[in-house]
Amino acid sequence: KNEVEQSPQNLTAQEGEFITINCSYSVGISALHWLQQHPGGGIVSLFMLSSGKKKHGRLIATINIQEKHSSLHITASHPRDSAVYICAVGRDSNYQLIWGAGTKLIIKP
Amino acid sequence: SAVISQKPSRDICQRGTSLTIQCQVDSQVTMMFWYRQQPGQSLTLIATANQGSEATYESGFVIDKFPISRPNLTFSTLTVSNMSPEDSSIYLCSVGTGGELFFGEGSRLTVL
Repeated sequence: KNEVEQSPQNLTAQEGEFITINCSYSVGISALHWLQQHPGGGIVSLFMLSSGKKKHGRLIATINIQEKHSSLHITASHPRDSAVYICAVGRDSNYQLIWGAGTKLIIKP
Repeated sequence: SAVISQKPSRDICQRGTSLTIQCQVDSQVTMMFWYRQQPGQSLTLIATANQGSEATYESGFVIDKFPISRPNLTFSTLTVSNMSPEDSSIYLCSVGTGGELFFGEGSRLTVL
């Protein structure tokens, strides 16, 4: 079993829909990251969480340390949100990461 | 924030040769991370490069195959040695600072 599991693997939605991507992990962590990888390959850091909730624009990330679970939400989704979203956890340090397999999101106009 | 310049961006290599990838960061950072992303897969950490000490390798990766240098706090190299087609991947360097991760644009290697 992978130490970081994401669901769903693939998600296709219509523009405007509310999107939720889930991440579960089985190890103790110092931090959890959500990242975005565009088709061209560039990787962008979205959030680093160790507790609670963070919001940036239309993106919201939450983490439940007791349940070892995090969610990434996108409100009012837009075709430009189409990308692979990756959850990664830092075990011994905030930046030395174990990566999930990613969720490929397609938003149709 | 940090800006990372990584090169080469892509290369086609012959089996049995070695290639060195360079990453230059515009600020001083303690740790630099080297990742491999095989086709259609997520990232896998190869090693952590610390200035002034040997790199720390993850399970399944060894120094003879992936030697790393870290001569100062802004620069690191990863060499992929004695390449085989199975080494065809994107290799990325990364740093973390201020709660964010920053990545080079990746080096896409194709081994024939």
